[in-house]
Formats: sequence, C-alpha cells, structure tokens
Amino acid sequence: EVQLVETGGGLIQPGGSLRLSCAVSGFTVSNNYMIWVRQAPGKGLEGVSVIYTGGGTNYADSVKGRFTISRDASKNTLYLQMNSLRVEDTAVYYCANPRTVMGAFDLWGQGTMVTVSS
Amino acid sequence: QSALTQPPSASGSPGQSVTISCTGTSSDIGAYNYVSWYQQHPGKAPKLIIYEVSKRPSGVPDRFSGSKSGNTASLTVSGLQAEDEADYYCSSHAGSNNFPYIFGTGTKVTVL
Repeated sequence: EVQLVETGGGLIQPGGSLRLSCAVSGFTVSNNYMIWVRQAPGKGLEGVSVIYTGGGTNYADSVKGRFTISRDASKNTLYLQMNSLRVEDTAVYYCANPRTVMGAFDLWGQGTMVTVSS
Repeated sequence: QSALTQPPSASGSPGQSVTISCTGTSSDIGAYNYVSWYQQHPGKAPKLIIYEVSKRPSGVPDRFSGSKSGNTASLTVSGLQAEDEADYYCSSHAGSNNFPYIFGTGTKVTVL
C-alpha cells in the first residue's frame, strides 16, 4: 500500500529541537520529490521545505537556517530536523508527494502535531 | 512571499454552484500552469481535487472544475452536495528563485 506516516510531534519548549519522521511505503523516498507542509491551528497551509529528486533542498524564509530536510534510503524515511523552535512553529506538520501528478501533491500523510510552548 | 488571496468564505444551497477565486501575481499563477486546489475537511489532511489548472485526479467528481485567467485562478463546485462543505486551498508553483510552492489563504465553503 502506498502511504506516508508522520511521527515525532509533541510538546517542546521555545528554543528546543525536534525531529519529525515521514515513513514511506509503496515507493522509494530516495528518488522522489517530497515536501513538508504545516498548518497552524485555525490557519491555512504553508509550505515549509522540499527535497528534490536529485537531493537538492529548499526552505521557506520562515524556517531557513533552523530546519533541515533529509531522507534515509535504508529506512525509506523523510525527516525534518527542527531547531531553535519558536511559538509560531506550532502546527500540524504534513509530508506529501506528487505520486501520480505533476506540480501538485496527491499523496499526504495524516500529519503530526508540534506544539511549542513554555 | 505572500500567500495567494482567496475569499474567506463562500456558500450555496444544495444543487447550486459556487466559485472560489485565487489571486496571485505574474511570478506564480500568471507564470505557470501548475495551479492546484485542495479540499480539507476538519481534522483531515488536504485532498487534491484539481491540478495543472483544470485536471482532476482519478476519483474526483466532475462537479469540480478549475480555470485560470492571468494572475487569477478559479475553482467551481457545481451541483453542491452536503459533503462539499469544507475548506478549500489553492496552490501555485512559484519558480525556482523562491520556495517553489505557495498556498492560498483558504476559503470555507458552507452548504446552506
């Protein structure tokens, strides 16, 4: 079955670090375009980070220098390392993939909640 | 890079049509035919309903249609049904000089 399962969310204090995981089933993470998208409570969607097929990465200005996207082929898993967390990083974090389409994302995980609070 | 602009809400009675606009710039919607639309029910992940401006993924009813003119894209839901009540988000490719994807502010569709 083709699916994405996010884990790793939780409650963390401002300034802390957290690593999110997105376990991939049904296809290979290492040669696929993947994105992390977040949604703050009651707010809209925001693209956070992408990793391209070739391994290049890109980040939203709001997380540049603090977040790092990576993937592990042996575990078939996508990661988002989040450092120097801020209250405004509180959100549900989704991973997604353009499984059968171009320029959009038709495969999403269920999301994992990250709460940054003291 | 600002979010694409959508109206906060839209509504219609069952069987009617509702159209949602999504306004961007010449650097995103106006530059690429990679406009997509997502439907999101409360507590659920977004679901792709339109990609490449007007294409529907397999399984999405043809009641959903998309279009684009200049820097503005539109989603039309025809023959509204109760299950269409949800939040809808547009998205566009935004080029390689910026973060490649930008999302809209979201529109809550209410079926009266």
